[in-house]
Amino acid sequence: EVQLVESGGGLVQPGGSLRLSCAASGFTFSNFWMHWVRQAPGKGLMWVSYVDSDGTSTAYADSVKGRFTVSRDNAKNTVYLQMNGLRAEDTAVYYCARGAGGLDQWGQGTLVTVSS
Amino acid sequence: DIVMTQSPDSLAVSLGERATINCKSSQSVLFGSSNRHHLTWYQQKPGQPPKLLIYWASTRASGVPDRFNGSGSGTDFTLTISSLRPEDVAIYYCQQYCSPPYTFGQGTKLEIK
Repeated sequence: EVQLVESGGGLVQPGGSLRLSCAASGFTFSNFWMHWVRQAPGKGLMWVSYVDSDGTSTAYADSVKGRFTVSRDNAKNTVYLQMNGLRAEDTAVYYCARGAGGLDQWGQGTLVTVSS
Repeated sequence: DIVMTQSPDSLAVSLGERATINCKSSQSVLFGSSNRHHLTWYQQKPGQPPKLLIYWASTRASGVPDRFNGSGSGTDFTLTISSLRPEDVAIYYCQQYCSPPYTFGQGTKLEIK
């Protein structure tokens, strides 16, 4: 069974940092692109970032470019999202998702709250 | 960036009737090397992560009932639910994954009339 489990969310002050992790199991992790998508409370989905299967190619939404960094460790079947310079508007549930003709598997998400 | 615009924002349909949701992209989402439209549809129910319904504009994901159909080309796409069931109440999103950032539409809330 495919599983994606996010962790690392929590309460952080504006300007602070967090690193999210997404542990994958049940599939050959190194074969798939991985994505991060976020959803602010009561709002729609916003694509955040992707990393390709070997970690050499990445992309970001304009609103997080230069502040967030995506990476992966295929030996640990884990994808990461390093978030620096956090702002109140980054408050959201962050989902990791597997990319395969669309985002075909999603984790349950981890909540990031940016507040003083 | 490609802007995805869905219509309507909300929709109320009677059980057993057809529901139609539209999605328009600001530029073509035809991916050259695959000659496929990189357009997906997702369903999200409260408190749950999104679920992939349709990819390549018209291919149903594994396990998705055949009452869900995707169509369209170029910049105009449609998700049709042929006969609405109570479990279809949700918010539906389109997304393009032709060119990063892989933007979503704003969502369409589907309710029972």
